[in-house]
Amino acid sequence: QVQLVQSRAEVKKPGASMKVSCKASGYTFTDYYIHWVRQAPGQGLEWMGWINPKSGGTNYAQKFQGRVTMTRDTSINTTYMELSRLTSDDTAVYFCARAFSAWNCDSWGQGSLVSVSS
Amino acid sequence: QSALTQPASVSGSPGQSISISCTGTSSDVGGYNYVSWFQHHPGKVPKLLIYEVRHRPSGISNRFSGSKSGNTASLTISGLQADDEADYYCFSYTSSRLGVFGGGTKLTVL
Repeated sequence: QVQLVQSRAEVKKPGASMKVSCKASGYTFTDYYIHWVRQAPGQGLEWMGWINPKSGGTNYAQKFQGRVTMTRDTSINTTYMELSRLTSDDTAVYFCARAFSAWNCDSWGQGSLVSVSS
Repeated sequence: QSALTQPASVSGSPGQSISISCTGTSSDVGGYNYVSWFQHHPGKVPKLLIYEVRHRPSGISNRFSGSKSGNTASLTISGLQADDEADYYCFSYTSSRLGVFGGGTKLTVL
């Protein structure tokens, strides 16, 4: 069955970077885009961007341009989302999601809580 | 890219029907048929209910239906059940090849 398994929770200092991984199994990794979405405490879902695992092509929400980098390693069916220059506003649960037809997110990772605190 | 506009909350009694609206612009909801709806129980993983405006993934009850008129998409839940109490989000593709969520709607089953 389709599974997306994300890295464990992290605590980061302001100004540091974070890198969350998302390992896919149960399907052909390069056939589906991966989107990254976050949810800050008490807030709604926020779209961050996508990566095409086949080409490595990416597109990021304007809010995160210059701070976010999404990459993939096709040898281990894993995508990564790196966010730099962290502030307390980046404290959130980060989700990866598989998307068919590029935009339909049908399977989600379990979420990775990243807390940013001094 | 501004978030799509959803009502903050809706409520209904068991067995009733409710609708949640999602208003965007011609650059997102109104311009494309890539509108999705997700159900999100707090602490759990979002669940895809509707994709491409009106299509249900396998395993999703036909109590959930989607539609669109102009720049506004809608999710209708019929035969409300206690377990439907959750947060609901719309999501749309945009002209910049970006995505945008709605602000979310909290559904209370009375």
